[in-house]
Amino acid sequence: DAGVIQSPRHEVTEMGQEVTLRCKPISGHNSLFWYRQTMMRGLELLIYFNNNVPIDDSGMPEDRFSAKMPNASFSTLKIQPSEPRDSAVYFCASSLRLGPQETQYFGPGTRLLVL
Amino acid sequence: AQSVAQPEDQVNVAEGNPLTVKCTYSVSGNPYLFWYVQYPNRGLQFLLKYITGDNLVKGSYGFEAEFNKSQTSFHLKKPSALVSDSALYFCAVSHDRDDKIIFGKGTRLHILP
Repeated sequence: DAGVIQSPRHEVTEMGQEVTLRCKPISGHNSLFWYRQTMMRGLELLIYFNNNVPIDDSGMPEDRFSAKMPNASFSTLKIQPSEPRDSAVYFCASSLRLGPQETQYFGPGTRLLVL
Repeated sequence: AQSVAQPEDQVNVAEGNPLTVKCTYSVSGNPYLFWYVQYPNRGLQFLLKYITGDNLVKGSYGFEAEFNKSQTSFHLKKPSALVSDSALYFCAVSHDRDDKIIFGKGTRLHILP
């Protein structure tokens, strides 16, 4: 049974370039979360969706960040233009339902380096 | 506002000894508490959670955690540590008025052979 799938696993890009991170949640899960992990700030929630609808994007750091979920099996996180301070590991997670008691299942992450 | 604290950045334990990774929390309302583990270059993996009921929660890989409401703590424990338990451990909290989970900074556990 496949878990959460993220691509690419590693991304190296130059400042100013557009970066698109992709996520496929676990089949049947209706909630999806995007997190960013850095040494300095730990694990930060960026945005989450329920039934493909964005619920809370208050964690998105700037307008350069955007996320979409066009269907139940796919989501993207886009950074345009990228900056060196965006370098981090980006995780996608999904849960069966939306709720404070729900277990989230994490993907392997995308390690982003912006030069 | 909810918050979670992991007071130790790193914990070192000899293999075979009991281990404890500490976590305290602050929430308004009923807390829901989680422990996740992260191995190098991997995503977080769910270990266990407390929602309601028995204060002692048993989880994966022989781990357990005890919910202590008076001390607002949810320490992670294991009776006998294995070298393979070496990883980064995250405590997390949510409550019944918010769908978001707040993660602690993480505690790096080193099990010494």
